[in-house]
Amino acid sequence: DSGVTQTPKHLITATGQRVTLRCSPRSGDLSVYWYQQSLDQGLQFLIQYYNGEERAKGNILERFSAQQFPDLHSELNLSSLELGDSALYFCASSSLALWGETQYFGPGTRLLVL
Amino acid sequence: AQKITQTQPGMFVQEKEAVTLDCTYDTSDPSYGLFWYKQPSSGEMIFLIYQGSYDQQNATEGRYSLNFQKARKSANLVISASQLGDSAMYFCAMRATTNFGNEKLTFGTGTRLTIIP
Repeated sequence: DSGVTQTPKHLITATGQRVTLRCSPRSGDLSVYWYQQSLDQGLQFLIQYYNGEERAKGNILERFSAQQFPDLHSELNLSSLELGDSALYFCASSSLALWGETQYFGPGTRLLVL
Repeated sequence: AQKITQTQPGMFVQEKEAVTLDCTYDTSDPSYGLFWYKQPSSGEMIFLIYQGSYDQQNATEGRYSLNFQKARKSANLVISASQLGDSAMYFCAMRATTNFGNEKLTFGTGTRLTIIP
């Protein structure tokens, strides 16, 4: 158990809908990363937050947004969902914002868009 | 543009042997970092090791070491004394800074490693 929690574990929704994925980092970790893993696109880095502020941005679509709250949990919002958004979404945390630090991954949220 | 290439889609290795997973990269950024991640069949993602482009020594973490050859632009993962639990998908990734000043992480397509008893 990495100490990173993600909810929900599975999510099934329809095209055009909006969903929110939640991530709670390990106790004391200030940095949260979001990744997407799909059959089409492989693994992609989406975005990183550090202590409430956006620190790095990857291949995150404009339909997607994220934030990190004062209690350090993070949410990834996916809107106007398309079939291609079906993927496993991982959240990871680390103590600081240094890329060389060990990142601890949550179990992932599996999203299926029908 | 940043690119990561893993040329071995699958590998079979006898238990207790050492294994090298290949990773080559392409970037024009002088400052970058290289990562290896492990994903067992259960689906969770595990961070293994990191090498910064200016690090003088190759990174090591237990049985994992990163054979970093900057001139060849390669960052191969070496697993010593392989175990059955090492059977998994392994991803190489590179961090670099884009022209817009953003950090970007690019992943390879992965290598599926199977350890044979």
